[in-house]
Amino acid sequence: DQQVKQNSPSLSVQEGRISILNCDYTNSMFDYFLWYKKYPAEGPTFLISISSIKDKNEDGRFTVFLNKSAKHLSLHIVPSQPGDSAVYFCAAGGGYQKVTFGIGTKLQVIP
Amino acid sequence: KAGVTQTPRYLIKTRGQQVTLSCSPISGHRSVSWYQQTPGQGLQFLFEYFSETQRNKGNFPGRFSGRQFSNSRSEMNVSTLELGDSALYLCASSLGEATGGHGYTFGSGTRLTVV
Repeated sequence: DQQVKQNSPSLSVQEGRISILNCDYTNSMFDYFLWYKKYPAEGPTFLISISSIKDKNEDGRFTVFLNKSAKHLSLHIVPSQPGDSAVYFCAAGGGYQKVTFGIGTKLQVIP
Repeated sequence: KAGVTQTPRYLIKTRGQQVTLSCSPISGHRSVSWYQQTPGQGLQFLFEYFSETQRNKGNFPGRFSGRQFSNSRSEMNVSTLELGDSALYLCASSLGEATGGHGYTFGSGTRLTVV
């Protein structure tokens, strides 16, 4: 039972353009949502999060949007840079629940 | 401040053997979680420990076990290894009882290969 779904396994974007990574979830009890970035041979690193009471959170080039009614969130990267090429994991949690991850989307930013 | 340390980084084992992986969380962090990463499956939750107690457990067979020590260091053990256990095993630490929006800090992982 995949409670957090990332339906696009990969995405290619030109440098300087916007990257949009999408994530859907099924559990209405999730309190917060997170995005992690992972380079090969390294552990995931925390990128940005959003509480369920908000619909947008921005941190530099990264913005996360949450649509609770659609149970959908997205990560926007503007402008995209070659160093952003990595696997991006969407995750969700709540209270004392374990953090549940999606299967990841591999982003390639083409110079 | 030192990050999350996982040892060893790489491991090759034979089917049927057992293996123990170690994780030292960030100093002061009391919660440690373990995840298995395989291609196409993302990060699958194994278990979570807080103050030496297992707080959550994922859907893995009993061959997978873990524990946490009083200094918050954690170990996970896999017995009777199978080829399908080949994966990257990630440990993540967090500060307190509830992870909250700050998320985890992950280690670099242990790459286990079963032959």
